[in-house]
Amino acid sequence: QSALTQPASVSGSPGQSITISCTGTSSDVGGYKYVSWYQQHPGKAPKLMIYDVSNRPSGVSNRFSGSKSGNTASLTISGLQAEDEADYYCSSYTSSITHVFGTGTKVTVL
Amino acid sequence: QVTLRESGPALVKPTQTLTLTCTFSGFSLSTGGMCVTWIRQPPGKALEWLARIDWDDDKYYSTSLKTRLTISKDTSKNQVVLTMTNMDPVDTATYYCARIRVGYGDYFFDFWGQGTLVTVSS
Repeated sequence: QSALTQPASVSGSPGQSITISCTGTSSDVGGYKYVSWYQQHPGKAPKLMIYDVSNRPSGVSNRFSGSKSGNTASLTISGLQAEDEADYYCSSYTSSITHVFGTGTKVTVL
Repeated sequence: QVTLRESGPALVKPTQTLTLTCTFSGFSLSTGGMCVTWIRQPPGKALEWLARIDWDDDKYYSTSLKTRLTISKDTSKNQVVLTMTNMDPVDTATYYCARIRVGYGDYFFDFWGQGTLVTVSS
């Protein structure tokens, strides 16, 4: 199972919106609604930010939103804040009855 | 309150077998739908999914690591154990356990342990 493809880095100024893509195949991202996104600050465990493509867990800011088109899922952070600077990973369920993560994206707030 | 905590050796030698334990609270693996998974992250690199064990003792493994991994559970102790054979320096990573509730239709990792760093070196 190959890792999902994410851009290595994305940056934006405070208040701006950024979008992180996550590209897979029809055997993972494209075949299921089970795409999730995780935020990871340095030295910390990942934190669930989005599940089932576009749903936010309780307590996660509505500045975070998710979507999917074909084999590519996306995470959008609107109203970028300094605290959003972190690594972000997508994940998908797969047809092999396994799970796969993305290559990770470092978000920098300029 | 759901919590998970990983434990195991910080240092293992090449060719040795690694045994990690995930001790959790706030849920039970005897409850239908509950699952625990292992995920690792080499220093400075991406997350990698390793294995999953379900409430009904079904087990699933990473295709690339399947021959080296064994996952098991002790429901009475609220523990999940992962063993990885023939350790190599490239297996140096922080190993996380996390909860996932596949039986509820939830295919995401909602609670994570803090992780344990395992270094493989002679």
